[in-house]
Amino acid sequence: GESVGLHLPTLSVQEGDNSIINCAYSNSASDYFIWYKQESGKGPQFIIDIRSNMDKRQGQRVTVLLNKTVKHLSLQIAATQPGDSAVYFCAENLNTGGFKTIFGAGTRLFVKA
Amino acid sequence: NAGVTQTPKFRILKIGQSMTLQCAQDMNHNYMYWYRQDPGMGLKLIYYSVGAGITDKGEVPNGYNVSRSTTEDFPLRLELAAPSQTSVYFCASTLKGSTEAFFGQGTRLTVV
Repeated sequence: GESVGLHLPTLSVQEGDNSIINCAYSNSASDYFIWYKQESGKGPQFIIDIRSNMDKRQGQRVTVLLNKTVKHLSLQIAATQPGDSAVYFCAENLNTGGFKTIFGAGTRLFVKA
Repeated sequence: NAGVTQTPKFRILKIGQSMTLQCAQDMNHNYMYWYRQDPGMGLKLIYYSVGAGITDKGEVPNGYNVSRSTTEDFPLRLELAAPSQTSVYFCASTLKGSTEAFFGQGTRLTVV
């Protein structure tokens, strides 16, 4: 079925450390996997995506890794800053004529100063 | 560009009442979406549209209706509000072929 789940509901890291947020997915037919950041009281904001035929993609301070063998997705944030504190959602994108994006439950990241 | 604009920001409805949540985008995006987000949960897709005149059901369409008469607007209609529809509703849009969705600020709806 279509489902995206997360291993941990909360993650606490020290400022300056690297953060790793994990996600499991179940739909092998997804075209893209996406990470969104949601700050309190706001709508989600796109961070980075990765196509299903790739296993790694890097952005500014973020890296997304995709392991299709075990259906696992991770978001790595380098040198975590207080502004990174938010809820992070992984999502999978099914190309069914329109882009049907299915979200997971989210991980809350706390950054300790 | 204002991006994606949702109105109202907050609303309290009584059981059985109806309302329309408005969503407009000025980015000329083809695709538009409605999601609901329950407390501490992810977003559930209600309906989406790939262009004017075309809509399709998402994961949780029951109790809702949509229309897409123009590229810019994608209103969501609740006909008979129920407490289970208490949630935060987000509208989003993307360019055709893009995964980068732009979200509105949300409408917090409480049904009592």
